[in-house]
Amino acid sequence: AQKITQTQPGMFVQEKEAVTLDCTYDTSDPSYGLFWYKQPSSGEMIFLIYQGSYDQQNATEGRYSLNFQKARKSANLVISASQLGDSAMYFCAMREPDRDSSYKLIFGSGTRLLVRP
Amino acid sequence: NAGVTQTPKFQVLKTGQSMTLQCAQDMNHEYMSWYRQDPGMGLRLIHYSVGAGITDQGEVPNGYNVSRSTTEDFPLRLLSAAPSQTSVYFCASSAGLAGTGANVLTFGAGSRLTVL
Repeated sequence: AQKITQTQPGMFVQEKEAVTLDCTYDTSDPSYGLFWYKQPSSGEMIFLIYQGSYDQQNATEGRYSLNFQKARKSANLVISASQLGDSAMYFCAMREPDRDSSYKLIFGSGTRLLVRP
Repeated sequence: NAGVTQTPKFQVLKTGQSMTLQCAQDMNHEYMSWYRQDPGMGLRLIHYSVGAGITDQGEVPNGYNVSRSTTEDFPLRLLSAAPSQTSVYFCASSAGLAGTGANVLTFGAGSRLTVL
């Protein structure tokens, strides 16, 4: 079963506008973490933001914020004031424990964002 | 500070050949892992290690071997390459277990492998 779902394969946004990238997750464990990574055309994976399942407030990092709705199991990434350099692939990922209580990251299939000038 | 270094960046193999993707980190991270990235499927965990001498399988381990003789190095071996192993491979490390608390994975630049 898909544990991380990103339903938007591709999105456009006008420069300087805000954009929301959707992510829903599925886990029965009460302790989990949610991550967003950016992958520009150069290929590297860049960490953007983290939200723990017990965190009371939505995470923010500069122009990035995470709209965490625990009951709906969603962790949407909001990018404010989009810039041309934000054009990239964005991945949502979830940490969950496995049988040995080790933790692994499960990635979604990604959303490709294109910022228009 | 080099972070996570992967070599080679590009490799072309013929079916049945073997090769090793190298991964080294200089951050004294205990946790290291290998992912593969295929179009439309995100990243999938191949193998991981929680410390020197300890390795375990991830989601897609078949066809790959790993070892962890030192904290710094975590090579990924393909014993008999198949076209289905054509992919981009990422090595990643973190100070704690992947994502424990706010520990984040630091990724290498990736290795693009083509198997003909």
